[in-house]
Amino acid sequence: EIVLTQSPGTLSLSPGERATLSCRASQSVSSRFLAWYHQKPGQAPRLLIYGTSSRATGIPVRFSGSGSGTDFTLTISRLEPEDFAVYYCQQYGTSPLTFGRGTRLDIK
Amino acid sequence: QVQLVQSGAEVRKTGASVKTSCKASGYTFTSYYMHWVRQAPGQGLEWMGVINPNTGSISYAQKLQGRVSMTRDTSTSTVYMELSRLRSEDTAIYYCARSLETGIGTTPFDYWGQGTLVTVSS
Repeated sequence: EIVLTQSPGTLSLSPGERATLSCRASQSVSSRFLAWYHQKPGQAPRLLIYGTSSRATGIPVRFSGSGSGTDFTLTISRLEPEDFAVYYCQQYGTSPLTFGRGTRLDIK
Repeated sequence: QVQLVQSGAEVRKTGASVKTSCKASGYTFTSYYMHWVRQAPGQGLEWMGVINPNTGSISYAQKLQGRVSMTRDTSTSTVYMELSRLRSEDTAIYYCARSLETGIGTTPFDYWGQGTLVTVSS
C-alpha cells in the first residue's frame, strides 16, 4: 500500500501568516489522484483540493496545492481563524486508498 | 442539497457484529460510488472500502476482508456497512463518503455523513 507521510506533525502559526504543509508518498502518485482535506473537532473531513491543485467547490483561493511524483504541498497563503484544523492528504488512485496521519495546524 | 444521514451510535461486545446505515438524498443515488472511512479516537482516517450503488460491486480494504460487508438498497437510497467479529480496536467513528465524480470509485470524497460512533467493549 502507498504510505503517505505528512510533515510537520504540528504547525503553530498566527492568523495572516502563510502555512506550508507537506505530504510525501512511499511510491509515485499520479497528480490526478492526490487530495487534501481538513477536519475540525467533532466534524467530518472536508475536501479542499483534488487532482493535486484543483480547489473543491466553495474553497477559497487562499488554498493551493502543488507537487508531483512523491512530494506534494498544500499552501494556505494567509491564515484565517477558521483554517486552524487538522489537515490530511489522500491518494485515491491505488487500492487501498490511503490517508496521511495528518498535520495539526494550531493558533500560535 | 446532497445529504448523507447516518444511523445512531452503537455499543457492542467483543466478538459481536454491527450494521450501520447511510441514507443519501439530493442526488441520483446510483450515479455515485459510496465509500466507508473510519477514524479511531484521536487518530487518522482509514479507508474501509467502496460500493457501486448501481451494480452492487464492492472493493474492500484487504485488512478488513472477511469481516466487512457493504450492501445497498436502491429503493431507499441507503448503503449499509456491517463489521463482524468486533475487537476493541474497531472502536471508531464510521463515515460514509460520496465519490466526487459519477461512475468511478477513484475520486476523492466530496460529501460525508455525520459519522456513527461504534464502541466495542468487553
